[in-house]
Amino acid sequence: DVKVTQSSRYLVKRTGEKVFLECVQDMDHENMFWYRQDPGLGLRLIYFSYDVKMKEKGDIPEGYSVSREKKERFSLILESASTNQTSMYLCASSYWDRDDGANVLTFGAGSRLTVL
Amino acid sequence: AQKITQTQPGMFVQEKEAVTLDCTYDTSDPSYGLFWYKQPSSGEMIFLIYQGSYDQQNATEGRYSLNFQKARKSANLVISASQLGDSAMYFCAMRGPDRNTGGFKTIFGAGTRLFVKA
Repeated sequence: DVKVTQSSRYLVKRTGEKVFLECVQDMDHENMFWYRQDPGLGLRLIYFSYDVKMKEKGDIPEGYSVSREKKERFSLILESASTNQTSMYLCASSYWDRDDGANVLTFGAGSRLTVL
Repeated sequence: AQKITQTQPGMFVQEKEAVTLDCTYDTSDPSYGLFWYKQPSSGEMIFLIYQGSYDQQNATEGRYSLNFQKARKSANLVISASQLGDSAMYFCAMRGPDRNTGGFKTIFGAGTRLFVKA
């Protein structure tokens, strides 16, 4: 009954490496999101996408990029990882609607990235 | 700018008692949605309850209720008859218009860690 799958639960990378975090959803949702979660800061939105090949910057996009080539897949890319990107990364999806109704986010289990 | 504030980093509650987790929000938009999510130690976020800004009644879902006070811009979560399995992080969130994109986005508070004591 898995609905949002994040490819890696734990990753350890070195400074300067390129990092790919993959997210796949099977609910045919239009919207997909990447958040990072840090203690005391909650979840902060990095990027989101309303449709294939579309992307919008969230509140903290610096140092990140995204790719959405297929509706079900949304990838987060760290071009050159830095130690301050050590964090928990959460992918979420939701259906599209035209108002701010009860549009619940469905989350993946998270990817904990450590950059050494 | 939209903002969510959760002022309680941690809370303790005795099993079977009720507990209130505080959440205040700030927005200039008249239409918005408020959510509470639970994050157990396993890490996966679980949706608990939703309140629309125009809803007249407070939302309830089983043991969860949302105490919505619009004038005070607060949306506190009340958990009745706490259980050991309620020990988790709880996040308050708000969904509203994103002025930059014309769409909608959801922002989260810093979270409250709830500890239920046996």
